[in-house]
Amino acid sequence: GNSVTQMEGPVTLSEEAFLTINCTYTATGYPSLFWYVQYPGEGLQLLLKATKADDKGSNKGFEATYRKETTSFHLEKGSVQVSDSAVYFCALRPPTSGTASKLTFGTGTRLQVTL
Amino acid sequence: DADVTQTPRNRITKTGKRIMLECSQTKGHDRMYWYRQDPGLGLRLIYYSFDVKDINKGEISDGYSVSRQAQAKFSLSLESAIPNQTALYFCAPSRQGGASGREKTDTQYFGPGTRLTVL
Repeated sequence: GNSVTQMEGPVTLSEEAFLTINCTYTATGYPSLFWYVQYPGEGLQLLLKATKADDKGSNKGFEATYRKETTSFHLEKGSVQVSDSAVYFCALRPPTSGTASKLTFGTGTRLQVTL
Repeated sequence: DADVTQTPRNRITKTGKRIMLECSQTKGHDRMYWYRQDPGLGLRLIYYSFDVKDINKGEISDGYSVSRQAQAKFSLSLESAIPNQTALYFCAPSRQGGASGREKTDTQYFGPGTRLTVL
């Protein structure tokens, strides 16, 4: 079946540090890949996505590249801010097949950024 | 993003009570999903609906039921609540996008969540 594995948190960084949150997946075919962010007390927001191999999703300074050869979609940001403190979820959606369109989520990685 | 409203935002109830969580969206998205979030487990799919006449079970549908009253409304019910249903519940409408062809992107936009506590 499909699965998503994320690095365990919390990840604690100082402001302006470089961020990497690892995400690997197991799926057949070419799934779409997503990163969602959940700020404290809020729902999930779509951060970025990629729908085919070698695509790079980017938003708000975050980037992730769809690597088919390593089945990975690692999230990166060059310089984090305190306001980036949140829980980050990696997710995949299998290729459209009939009505199959369900997201499979990783367990989430909490990021804490300090001054 | 889809304008998504979930009510109530917080609810405390007792074991055995019937509870309904409501979700509505204003963007006309045809697909809607219900998830629960538990610490350390991420989000798990309860039910989903691709249109008003289509209801499908997710991976953890036992103990839950849903109703798609209209394209904009998708309610989740706990017929007889139990403590292990204490969780954060999210509704997520979605729309298809991207190029036509073999694959289409189905992007889900999450509501603010309902925090349910069953005592």
